[in-house]
Amino acid sequence: ETGVTQSPTHLIKTRGQQVTLRCSSQSGHNTVSWYQQALGQGPQFIFQYYREEENGRGNFPPRFSGLQFPNYSSELNVNALELDDSALYLCASSLGQGPDTQYFGPGTRLTVL
Amino acid sequence: AQSVTQLGSHVSVSEGALVLLRCNYSSSVPPYLFWYVQYPNQGLQLLLKYTSAATLVKGINGFEAEFKKSETSFHLTKPSAHMSDAAEYFCAVTSTSGTYKYIFGTGTRLKVLA
Repeated sequence: ETGVTQSPTHLIKTRGQQVTLRCSSQSGHNTVSWYQQALGQGPQFIFQYYREEENGRGNFPPRFSGLQFPNYSSELNVNALELDDSALYLCASSLGQGPDTQYFGPGTRLTVL
Repeated sequence: AQSVTQLGSHVSVSEGALVLLRCNYSSSVPPYLFWYVQYPNQGLQLLLKYTSAATLVKGINGFEAEFKKSETSFHLTKPSAHMSDAAEYFCAVTSTSGTYKYIFGTGTRLKVLA
């Protein structure tokens, strides 16, 4: 059974640029959630997708957007990058729409200069 | 609104000593509670979870946690610390309805002294 994978591992961008982060869910999982973890902080919920539809959103501006594909893989897109967007971005997959255990990927470390 | 408070951003214990990491939650309905561990430059690994069954939950690597509704607590313990337990630990709560997002605490960094 393949776990949650994310790509790339690290990324460096400059302010104002756009970035796309990718996530492959654990086999059989149809729900994916994205979190932002700033240095020294706990992860903050960005949004969740269930069967290709957004299923809830945290307190993040619209320049944070996402997609979930038919194979349940997912993308996180961030436009007009700001310095404060520098963080570890974590993807988590789970089975179903209920309060199931979320399984996390290793994360993508984004640095905005 | 739900929230999680982890008391002590840094905890140091001697190898072989008891580990106690504190987590208090606020929730208007019975929540699901989780403890995750994060090693440097890695994602989160589930240690254990409470889902309204037994109040004493056993997890991996010898960790356990007890759900105490009267104290709104879900503290994590391990009888004997090992050097490999040094990591950051996060407590998280999720609702039992609506969008099942996790709300995390700010984390506790555990240091194990030889």
